[in-house]
Parts: sequence; C-alpha cells; structure tokens
Amino acid sequence: QVQLQESGPGLVKPSETLSLTCAVSGYSISSGYYWGWIRQPPGKGLEWIGSIYHSGSTYYNPSLKSRVTISVDTSKNQFSLKLSSVTAADTAVYYCAREPGYKQDYWGQGTLVTVSS
Amino acid sequence: QSALTQPPSASGSPGQSVTISCTGTSSDVGGYNYVSWYQQHPGKAPKLMIYEVSKRPSGVPDRFSGSKSGNTASLTVSGLQAEDEADYYCSSYAGSNNFYVFGTGTKVTVL
Repeated sequence: QVQLQESGPGLVKPSETLSLTCAVSGYSISSGYYWGWIRQPPGKGLEWIGSIYHSGSTYYNPSLKSRVTISVDTSKNQFSLKLSSVTAADTAVYYCAREPGYKQDYWGQGTLVTVSS
Repeated sequence: QSALTQPPSASGSPGQSVTISCTGTSSDVGGYNYVSWYQQHPGKAPKLMIYEVSKRPSGVPDRFSGSKSGNTASLTVSGLQAEDEADYYCSSYAGSNNFYVFGTGTKVTVL
C-alpha cells in the first residue's frame, strides 16, 4: 500500500522559508511517476504548487514559481518543498501526492503550516 | 491560470442523483481529456474518485460517474448516500506551463 507522510515545522515566520518533506513508503520514487505538492488555505480550495519527476524535472505553478523549489532524494525515497519569502497568505494545509498520469492518486494526510510572527 | 468554476453547493435526498459542473476553458478542460474529481471529507485528504473524465479507480462505487462536453466537465453521484456528503473538487491538466488547475469546490449535502 502506497503511503505518503508530510513533515516539517508547523509555524514559520513571515519572510522566512517554509520547508516540508514527504516520505514515501510502499513504492519506490525511482520507479517513476511525478510527485507533487498541493495546498489548501483554511476554509478554501485546493491549489497545485508544483511537481517533480523521479529524474528531477520540475514543473511549478506560474503564480508561485519565483518562490518554489521542489527536490527529490531517491536514496531516502522522499521529496521536498521549499517556499521562500512566506506571508500570511501562505498559511495552509500542505499535501504531498503521487501523480501517475495527470492525476493525484495517493495523498498524504496533510500538514498545517501557519505563517505568523 | 484561473481556477475552474464549480457551483458552491449542491444537494439531494438519499437515493436521488446530484450533478456537479466544472467549467474551464479550451486551455484546460476543453483541451485535454485529463479531468479528475476528488472527494474531501472535513479534516481529511482529498480522495480520487474519477480520472481521465470518466474512469473510476478501483474501489470507487459505480454510483460515481463523469463526463465532459466542450469546456465543461460533470460529476454525477447517483443513489445518494449519507457518506457522499463532502466537498468535491475537479481538476484538469492545463498544459506543460500550468500543469494542473483545480476547481473552486462544491459542497454536497445529503438532505
């Protein structure tokens, strides 16, 4: 059974960098597929942040592209998200997901990140 | 890239059907047969219900069906059950520059 688990600080100060990691079990990232990050502000809808292929190729939401970096560590079977210069508008539940063929089929449980001083 | 447009709410009695629309443009919904639908219960992660417009993942009841006409996709839930009460989001592939765009979400209430 494929499982994904997000981890990282739940509180980040404004202007700092948000860093999250998604650990994957039950499937080897090296085997293929894209792996993505999606976020959901409290009480609002879903927003795709970006995706990374197992080889390292990345695609980012144009509205976040200047602040986002997604990387993969196949040796640890995990991938990571960095979002710089955060503001209160970046407060959200952040999900990681497996993306085989233009869909997200397995999701992590999500982690709430609050941006506040 | 703007979010896909969904009605804020939809409702039906147990056993009835409800259909949710998802309107985009020729650059996303209308341009690709890569529309997905997700169900999200409060405090939970989204769950894939439909992919590639009308395909169901293993384990999803056949009460859930999807279709597309032009720039609008639809999700129909037939034989509504109490556990179908949730938020539903559509998503579409939007090309190599934008990749994915999600819908605004629809809250389905089982009366």
